[in-house]
Amino acid sequence: GENVEQHPSTLSVQEGDSAVIKCTYSDSASNYFPWYKQELGKGPQLIIDIRSNVGEKKDQRIAVTLNKTAKHFSLHITETQPEDSAVYFCAARGGYQKVTFGTGTKLQVIP
Amino acid sequence: GAVVSQHPSRVICKSGTSVKIECRSLDFQATTMFWYRQFPKQSLMLMATSNEGSKATYEQGVEKDKFLINHASLTLSTLTVTSAHPEDSSFYICSTKAFFGQGTRLTVV
Repeated sequence: GENVEQHPSTLSVQEGDSAVIKCTYSDSASNYFPWYKQELGKGPQLIIDIRSNVGEKKDQRIAVTLNKTAKHFSLHITETQPEDSAVYFCAARGGYQKVTFGTGTKLQVIP
Repeated sequence: GAVVSQHPSRVICKSGTSVKIECRSLDFQATTMFWYRQFPKQSLMLMATSNEGSKATYEQGVEKDKFLINHASLTLSTLTVTSAHPEDSSFYICSTKAFFGQGTRLTVV
């Protein structure tokens, strides 16, 4: 089955700085890579996604890159704000529609 | 607004009782829904895949008689935790292929 690894597990940045979270996946058949933000006591919220036919996608301060050859994908948050503080999960989805999650990154943005 | 609605958000029940959690897809039909369990500070663990009009597919190690899933319509899937025990206390989350419900915090006392 699919295995998704995520790093780092915790990340502290100063407000205004950039944050980068990296994930790797194992199943070359995976073709959809969503990123979720989870705040305490709430369900994950989809913040951005990328499909395997695209190398990069950007939405305002958030961008995601995908390297299919290396099976790497990354989340980039620029100009971080305190409200960006949360746990972020990467995920990979393949042909059976099952989503496999990374282990999560707790991001803390220090004002 | 939310595209997947999950209820209740919190529930406390006595040991030995059963609890039902509902997951509704809003404004669209979902033939497939997923149920996850999340322990504190951990990632989401897929429990089962709910298929409209057919039996759910359970992940290895998940007791199907313990966690009953019903997907009777294209907009509603339910998870019933039967004969709940304190070790069943957890955060349960449903999802469609891309969107998640708000989650249900179950506490069994």
